[in-house]
Amino acid sequence: EAGVVQSPRYKIIEKKQPVAFWCNPISGHNTLYWYLQNLGQGPELLIRYENEEAVDDSQLPKDRFSAERLKGVDSTLKIQPAELGDSAVYLCASSAYSTGELFFGEGSRLTVL
Amino acid sequence: KQEVTQIPAALSVPEGENLVLNCSFTDSAIYNLQWFRQDPGKGLTSLLLIQSSQREQTSGRLNASLDKSSGRSTLYIAASQPGDSATYLCAVRPSSGDKLTFGTGTRLAVRP
Repeated sequence: EAGVVQSPRYKIIEKKQPVAFWCNPISGHNTLYWYLQNLGQGPELLIRYENEEAVDDSQLPKDRFSAERLKGVDSTLKIQPAELGDSAVYLCASSAYSTGELFFGEGSRLTVL
Repeated sequence: KQEVTQIPAALSVPEGENLVLNCSFTDSAIYNLQWFRQDPGKGLTSLLLIQSSQREQTSGRLNASLDKSSGRSTLYIAASQPGDSATYLCAVRPSSGDKLTFGTGTRLAVRP
């Protein structure tokens, strides 16, 4: 069974440029999460989806960040415009209702110059 | 607000040693607790999930215990190997809501 797939793995952009990250969760997982992880820190939740509905986006900086999960499967996280402080790893995770166990993708490392 | 603490922040042990990693949480109203490992530059890999009704879970050389009343979980690694070198994180899911709280992790180095 395929795990959570994220792309791109690495992205280097200049500040004020846009960037987008894509996530394909484990098949059958209804819940999808986007996390941000800074070096030496634990992941911090940005947004959580139940199917196609964003049920918790309280930590998402809505002035520059947006996310969507069309058809309740794949999801895209966008930053526009990117700032220097956005340099971090963006992790996608998914879980099933039955156990609540989280499975993470490899992450997308963003460097903003 | 739930707070999760992992001590020590870093640990270095010789190969073959048995070791214990600690995870403490302030609010005992939890749904489950999950242990992860993270290799440098990689995502998090799920190791063990303990539901609130369980006391422990085992997988190979790993054993995780949960004591909700004292707000503690431990991850026991038997006969450590250099391949166990990684950062280990615990995460707590509340009994109400779905927002996990992560610890900052314990960075483990197992010396050959």
